[in-house]
Amino acid sequence: AQTVTQSQPEMSVQEAETVTLSCTYDTSENNYYLFWYKQPPSRQMILVIRQEAYKQQNATENRFSVNFQKAAKSFSLKISDSQLGDTAMYFCASSLYNNNDMRFGAGTRLTVKP
Amino acid sequence: DTGVSQNPRHKITKRGQNVTFRCDPISEHNRLYWYRQTLGQGPEFLTYFQNEAQLEKSRLLSDRFSAERPKGSFSTLEIQRTEQGDSAMYLCASSLERSNQPQHFGDGTRLSIL
Repeated sequence: AQTVTQSQPEMSVQEAETVTLSCTYDTSENNYYLFWYKQPPSRQMILVIRQEAYKQQNATENRFSVNFQKAAKSFSLKISDSQLGDTAMYFCASSLYNNNDMRFGAGTRLTVKP
Repeated sequence: DTGVSQNPRHKITKRGQNVTFRCDPISEHNRLYWYRQTLGQGPEFLTYFQNEAQLEKSRLLSDRFSAERPKGSFSTLEIQRTEQGDSAMYLCASSLERSNQPQHFGDGTRLSIL
């Protein structure tokens, strides 16, 4: 079974600053994927970044990067140069190699303050 | 392609009524997923299809829930004899079959049971 835990229900950051959202997971599998999804208020959930567990290099997408610590089963998201449009719920998720049954954490509500 | 489309956006019904939601995935995606999301929580996996075959169902999917994808294109999720606990956002997602492909989400159908 997979479980995903996000221990920060809410966070806030000043515009242009950097913020890190935490995520830990538990799985007995060796091949899996990790994701961060963003869900703006009343809007569609969109993929921010993904990491394949067999890759040691941390994924990066523009201002978004992850710190993937496989042994510690930790997968944090760093948002650099935060923008007002980054305000959203952020969900950490994992899925097994065959990409079904994605498991989500409870989410972190991020507010970027002007 | 306009992405994953879900209808209706909102559904309000009385307890005990049946409801049906529709999901149109991205056209070339052969995998389709249903999730339920309650307020303040992450999405919970309900079921998924590969083409027309329903390959996995969560324990959350009680006997009152049924999902179909008759021609491997759009899918419907029906809830019979709705209960107040069914109030939630029902999300549909689709993906390509390849294991490293992310799931793309629709806007969801918000169900409110009176």
